[in-house]
Amino acid sequence: SQTIHQWPATLVQPVGSPLSLECTVEGTSNPNLYWYRQAAGRGLQLLFYSVGIGQISSEVPQNLSASRPQDRQFILSSKKLLLSDSGFYLCAWSVPWAGFYEQYFGPGTRLTVT
Amino acid sequence: QQQVKQSPQSLIVQKGGISIINCAYENTAFDYFPWYQQFPGKGPALLIAIRPDVSEKKEGRFTISFNKSAKQFSLHIMDSQPGDSATYFCAASSADTGTASKLTFGTGTRLQVTL
Repeated sequence: SQTIHQWPATLVQPVGSPLSLECTVEGTSNPNLYWYRQAAGRGLQLLFYSVGIGQISSEVPQNLSASRPQDRQFILSSKKLLLSDSGFYLCAWSVPWAGFYEQYFGPGTRLTVT
Repeated sequence: QQQVKQSPQSLIVQKGGISIINCAYENTAFDYFPWYQQFPGKGPALLIAIRPDVSEKKEGRFTISFNKSAKQFSLHIMDSQPGDSATYFCAASSADTGTASKLTFGTGTRLQVTL
């Protein structure tokens, strides 16, 4: 069966510090991978998605970047965090099956920028 | 045109009652409509999904009703239980997104089931 991991689970970082969040998927090959951000009590905002190694698409211009160094690894980064980067970061994966595009989410990383 | 509008924002239902959450969309190219359930501090979990070639799909106490002409779909939770208390998100996707299979999410409904 497929599983998705995210770490760390929680993170408190000062403004201006760098960020690296990691997501890995097990039990599947060639998944699509996604990074979402969820502000407190809000909906899900798609930040980046990737359909293959080294292929990154950005949905929202911002202070963040993403990379996919391996097939099942997706990394979210920032060189200098802003207060507005605080939120709940979710990684998700999907594998296209004949038109069905179910996405499965990881447990998330709670980021607080102070 | 990519929006999915979800209502209500919050909902309080007594135990044993029926919870109903509605979503509406504009993009007629949408062809996949999932619902997600999210508990506090957890990632959303896929609950049930439907394609527009059927008008209803039922899994246990959860039912999706789909009205293609009205461009609306809804989630019905029968015999609602306190354990159903969570935030529910509707979403939609289309083949227009190609292999990316991107989802457009509604803004969420916080459901509270009281005793």
